[in-house]
Amino acid sequence: SQTIHQWPATLVQPVGSPLSLECTVEGTSNPNLYWYRQAAGRGLQLLFYSVGIGQISSEVPQNLSASRPQDRQFILSSKKLLLSDSGFYLCAWRAEEAEAGELFFGEGSRLTVL
Amino acid sequence: GQNIDQPTEMTATEGAIVQINCTYQTSGFNGLFWYQQHAGEAPTFLSYNVLDGLEEKGRFSSFLSRSKGYSYLLLKELQMKDSASYLCAVLDSNYQLIWGAGTKLIIKP
Repeated sequence: SQTIHQWPATLVQPVGSPLSLECTVEGTSNPNLYWYRQAAGRGLQLLFYSVGIGQISSEVPQNLSASRPQDRQFILSSKKLLLSDSGFYLCAWRAEEAEAGELFFGEGSRLTVL
Repeated sequence: GQNIDQPTEMTATEGAIVQINCTYQTSGFNGLFWYQQHAGEAPTFLSYNVLDGLEEKGRFSSFLSRSKGYSYLLLKELQMKDSASYLCAVLDSNYQLIWGAGTKLIIKP
């Protein structure tokens, strides 16, 4: 069966520090991968998605970046965090062939920038 | 622009029935999803509708009317564990998901 994991689960970082959130999917090949951010009272905001190794599409211009160094690994990074980067970050995957398929989410990472 | 509207919060009593509405205006339509999200956790899939009508799955049912841009999630025989946020999301013409802000459902004994 397929599983998705992301870490760390909780992170408290000072403004200006770097960030690295990692997500790994097991049990499937060539998944579509997504990074979302969820702010209180707002819908899920798509940050990045990837349809293959090295292929990243950015939905929102900001100080975050994403990379996909391996087929089932997706990394969210920042060189210098801002206060506004605080939020709940979710990694998700969907089967490559399932354009209308459901998304499967990782456990989420709660980031607090102080 | 694209827009998904659902109530911010609803309260219901244990054992009762509750209907959570979702209206949408999107560029194209390739289906509508409902997800459940408990506080501090990731969303989990509940249902998917692409054709008009009612889809029933145990205590949960989801209805879609494409002509009205409208869906609802019906929860029967409410249990305390149903206290959660319920997210409505629409797949647009580019197969990108547009998310509503979610409805927080509070269940009282």
